Amino acid sequence: DAKTTQPPSMDCAEGRAANLPCNHSTISGNEYVYWYRQIHSQGPQYIIHGLKNNETNEMASLIITEDRKSSTLILPHATLRDTAVYYCIVRVAQTGNKLVFGAGTILRVKS
Amino acid sequence: GAVVSQHPSWVICKSGTSVKIECRSLDFQATTMFWYRQFPKQSLMLMATSNEGSKATYEQGVEKDKFLINHASLTLSTLTVTSAHPEDSSFYICSARGGVNTGELFFGEGSRLTVL
Repeated sequence: DAKTTQPPSMDCAEGRAANLPCNHSTISGNEYVYWYRQIHSQGPQYIIHGLKNNETNEMASLIITEDRKSSTLILPHATLRDTAVYYCIVRVAQTGNKLVFGAGTILRVKS
Repeated sequence: GAVVSQHPSWVICKSGTSVKIECRSLDFQATTMFWYRQFPKQSLMLMATSNEGSKATYEQGVEKDKFLINHASLTLSTLTVTSAHPEDSSFYICSARGGVNTGELFFGEGSRLTVL
């Protein structure tokens, strides 16, 4: 699976949009971009994923650049409960394919 | 989304004893589950892939005789930490694939093991 690079930490004001970047310059054509987050002492939570088109769900939006070498996760109105470690992972979406976590980005939402 | 449940959520045991952690997919069947370990302030480390009806596949450096994995049914995988020692104290997390065609994995709540 392709390696990803994320900033170690970011701060965001409550109510503002949080934009979390991820670089995946070696991504292959059949690899998806997945985002998970982990709130302290809990299991990771699936957020969103995409292949090449931008995606949006009730939690977040995912913007993938045209060359697919980077992406941005957007939390439109961050709340204190969004404080967590956010992981960007690229992998092939196949049954049984494992998920390998990097260091992630610690997002701190402040009031 | 799909629900994955772990039990127990926390356990304290004496050094030298064995501890079993269960991972269940509550509303779907999972032929494959994954076990992770996480030490404080570190990322999740994949330990092994649990396959229903066959032997687990362990990641490099993970002792298969130390961490016994059994995936006897499509909804249950168990991780047994044998002869536990204080260095085995960690947060153990399982996951299972919940999406049909998209491959997203859903995670349990985690099980915190403390070995005294």
